[in-house]
Amino acid sequence: EDKVVQSPLSLVVHEGDTVTLNCSYEVTNFRSLLWYKQEKKAPTFLFMLTSSGIEKKSGRLSSILDKKELFSILNITATQTGDSAVYLCAVEDTNAGKSTFGDGTTLTVKP
Amino acid sequence: GAGVSQSPSNKVTEKGKDVELRCDPISGHTALYWYRQSLGQGLEFLIYFQGNSAPDKSGLPSDRFSAERTGGSVSTLTIQRTQQEDSAVYLCASSSPWVGQFFGPGTRLTVL
Repeated sequence: EDKVVQSPLSLVVHEGDTVTLNCSYEVTNFRSLLWYKQEKKAPTFLFMLTSSGIEKKSGRLSSILDKKELFSILNITATQTGDSAVYLCAVEDTNAGKSTFGDGTTLTVKP
Repeated sequence: GAGVSQSPSNKVTEKGKDVELRCDPISGHTALYWYRQSLGQGLEFLIYFQGNSAPDKSGLPSDRFSAERTGGSVSTLTIQRTQQEDSAVYLCASSSPWVGQFFGPGTRLTVL
C-alpha cells in the first residue's frame, strides 16, 4: 500500500523565517510527487516532481525530490503571513494511477 | 470551464435524506477523484475514475456512498440515508498524466 508521511505536523514561525517541510513516501510504481497548498477549502497545486535532484522553483517556494532516499522537501524563504496554510504532499502511482496524500503540515507564519 | 467546478457549494440536509454532489472536471482530463475532508483532518480518498476503466471504489466508507461518471466527464457522488458523521467537505479533482491533480472548490455538507 502506498504511503506518504509528512513532517513536521505543524510549524509556527515568524515573518522572514525560512522553513523546510518534509515528505517521505513509499509507492509501488512511482510516477510523480505533488505539493499542494490548502488555505480554505480546496488544495491549490504548487509543484510536480518526477526527477531526482532537479529543483522546481516558484518565487519564494522551491522543492526537490530524492528518488533514491524516497523523500522531497518544500522550502519557503522569507515567509509571509500569507504563507500560512496546510501544505500537502502526494505521490502518484503509475499502475494504479491514483494519488496518495499525506496528512499535511500546518504552517503558521506570525507577523 | 477553466477549472474544476462543483455544486452545490454548500448543502445542509437532515439525517436520513439522500444527497447528490456534482463535479465538472477540466475538459480533457481523463481521471477524476472524490475525496472527503473532515474539519482539521487530511484528505480521505473515496473513489477514482480513470477513462473507461472500472472505478476504484476502495475508499468508499459504506454502501450508502456511490458515484458515477457519465460520458467520461461529469461525476455525481450520491450519499444515501445521510448520517451526521457524513458532514465534511467533499472535494473533487481531475487530472491527466503528468499534469497533477486540480481540485474543485468543494461542497460543504452538513447533516443535521
